[in-house]
Amino acid sequence: ILNVEQSPQSLHVQEGDSTNFTCSFPSSNFYALHWYRWETAKSPEALFVMTLNGDEKKKGRISATLNTKEGYSYLYIKGSQPEDSATYLCAFPNNYGQNFVFGPGTRLSVLP
Amino acid sequence: DVKVTQSSRYLVKRTGEKVFLECVQDMDHENMFWYRQDPGLGLRLIYFSYDVKMKEKGDIPEGYSVSREKKERFSLILESASTNQTSMYLCASSPIRAGGLNEQFFGPGTRLTVL
Repeated sequence: ILNVEQSPQSLHVQEGDSTNFTCSFPSSNFYALHWYRWETAKSPEALFVMTLNGDEKKKGRISATLNTKEGYSYLYIKGSQPEDSATYLCAFPNNYGQNFVFGPGTRLSVLP
Repeated sequence: DVKVTQSSRYLVKRTGEKVFLECVQDMDHENMFWYRQDPGLGLRLIYFSYDVKMKEKGDIPEGYSVSREKKERFSLILESASTNQTSMYLCASSPIRAGGLNEQFFGPGTRLTVL
């Protein structure tokens, strides 16, 4: 079973703080790396699909970077807002890219 | 709007009961998945299916079976529910796309409690 790790497990920040967290994955047999946001009482929703070493993606105040050689991706949130409170999951495709191994998630709480 | 629906949001069953969790997607996706989510463990794959009547074991298939008789529907079956199957169950679907680019779309989850 592939090992996908995320740190920290949970994070509490004040509104307006910027924050970042990490996803670590196997650096061999890389297809892509997915980030999802999972808000309480909702379904997980896709944020980014990252494919190339050095990739950077941005959606509003959220951005992500990718290093496939060393096997990690960072997710950054600039100026956190309470609506950013969620669990952020990364997912690593295996089985020829058709199914995912998910990390355990980082649970972010943004306090007003 | 793309949709993955699950038959129940909350379910309470007794030990030994047979439990059916149903999932339906309206996106004509080939792949469908069942996960369970437990605190600190993330989403763990139970079974997946890449076509009608096809199924593959995931990482934790013990105690579960699945059925896919129609493309849009994927059922998870607990033959004899046990307390260690108390969990949140999520269904997902995705198109077949090469290179790991197939985004998965999730249902709202079923929180199952086995007493």
